Amino acid sequence: KAGVTQTPRYLIKTRGQQVTLSCSPISGHRSVSWYQQTPGQGLQFLFEYFSETQRNKGNFPGRFSGRQFSNSRSEMNVSTLELGDSALYLCASSSNPSGSYNEQFFGPGTRLTVL
Amino acid sequence: GIQVEQSPPDLILQEGANSTLRCNFSDSVNNLQWFHQNPWGQLINLFYIPSGTKQNGRLSATTVATERYSLLYISSSQTTDSGVYFCAVSAEDYKLSFGAGTTVTVRA
Repeated sequence: KAGVTQTPRYLIKTRGQQVTLSCSPISGHRSVSWYQQTPGQGLQFLFEYFSETQRNKGNFPGRFSGRQFSNSRSEMNVSTLELGDSALYLCASSSNPSGSYNEQFFGPGTRLTVL
Repeated sequence: GIQVEQSPPDLILQEGANSTLRCNFSDSVNNLQWFHQNPWGQLINLFYIPSGTKQNGRLSATTVATERYSLLYISSSQTTDSGVYFCAVSAEDYKLSFGAGTTVTVRA
């Protein structure tokens, strides 16, 4: 079974631009979560989608948004990029987060550099 | 949110040594996972262990949910075990809260 895939793997943008990152979960998984990793703040939760609905959101400004499609693929968007948005963005998928088993599996990440 | 503390922050081992990494968390959880982050940044699943004990080769983990801690044991360490190990937990809200990680360096 293929793992979680993320595209692109690397991205360089300039301040003020916007960016869209994509995540395809493991086949059959309906929950997708996004995390940001920076040297200063560590790994932080951005948001989680299940069946095209955002169920939970972390403490990030409104410039960070996401969506999930009917095939469970998810995108996240960051508008008006700032230097501090430079980070590794990780996507995770889970098969049944509301049940007793809710292990999450991570993709390889997208490394975003904002100049 | 749930607070997660990992110790020690850094660990230097000689190849062949054994070690124990600790994860303390501040509230009841329904998910606890241990990850190893590879040099390219991907989080590799080691254990899904909200309670009990599991073993996988030279690695094993124990979670004592009632006392809110988990331990990851590395036995007969190898240079390939080097990297950052993360503990992450979640409760009813499905979002994982991560510790700051333990950086393990295994010297040949």
